[in-house]
Amino acid sequence: QSVPTQPPSASGTPGQRVTISCSGRSSNVGSNNVFWYQQLPGTAPKLLIYRNDQRPSGVPDRFSGSKSGTSASLAISGLRSEDEADYYCAAWDGSLSGWVFGGGTKLTVL
Amino acid sequence: EVQLLESGGGLVQPGGSLRLSCAASGFTFSNYAVSWVRQAPGKGLEWVSAISASGGSTYYADSVKGRFTISRDNSKNTLYLQMNSLRAEDTALYYCAKDAPLGQWLGSYGMDVWGQGTTVTVSS
Repeated sequence: QSVPTQPPSASGTPGQRVTISCSGRSSNVGSNNVFWYQQLPGTAPKLLIYRNDQRPSGVPDRFSGSKSGTSASLAISGLRSEDEADYYCAAWDGSLSGWVFGGGTKLTVL
Repeated sequence: EVQLLESGGGLVQPGGSLRLSCAASGFTFSNYAVSWVRQAPGKGLEWVSAISASGGSTYYADSVKGRFTISRDNSKNTLYLQMNSLRAEDTALYYCAKDAPLGQWLGSYGMDVWGQGTTVTVSS
């Protein structure tokens, strides 16, 4: 499987910290920047983290990204109900000459 | 306001063709690469194709290579996706997304603006 692997689901209670993992290959996550997208129900995806750990303007600092080797992680601290969404990691794959998206993680705020 | 607006989706029979359009506004369209990304009902995101700012370089997912053609008309600020030999598995919501700026390689910048999508249904 050439696409990055994400857990299908994650959950937490308000105020908690949750992390979502993204495991890829040397041709994608291991050698290129990782991006994270948030997709709220019924809406288009939104860029949440770019270049592994950078936040676009307007994204709260509760969201943070990291990368090590062929794995990356998205952390959300101070979990809020409005964070309930699908989260996708993505990276350019040099072998495929194209973007690859992880399978997505559905975050539930209990 | 930076905006992308897709159109052209609809119901088509297997083996048929469809052309999607994506109209850009609020930014210098000719300065950015653009991608198509699709999402099958209840499924995750799948990148489909990308085109460089000038249109000189194109990229395709293996699942659509040879059947889909991406193009752009910078004079009209519009991106296109010509889809031929459509299959049931092409049924999805198709998004266009603003990608890397001129001078930056695809994969370095991310897709920072997305349209609302247009729905393609392939069924007899």
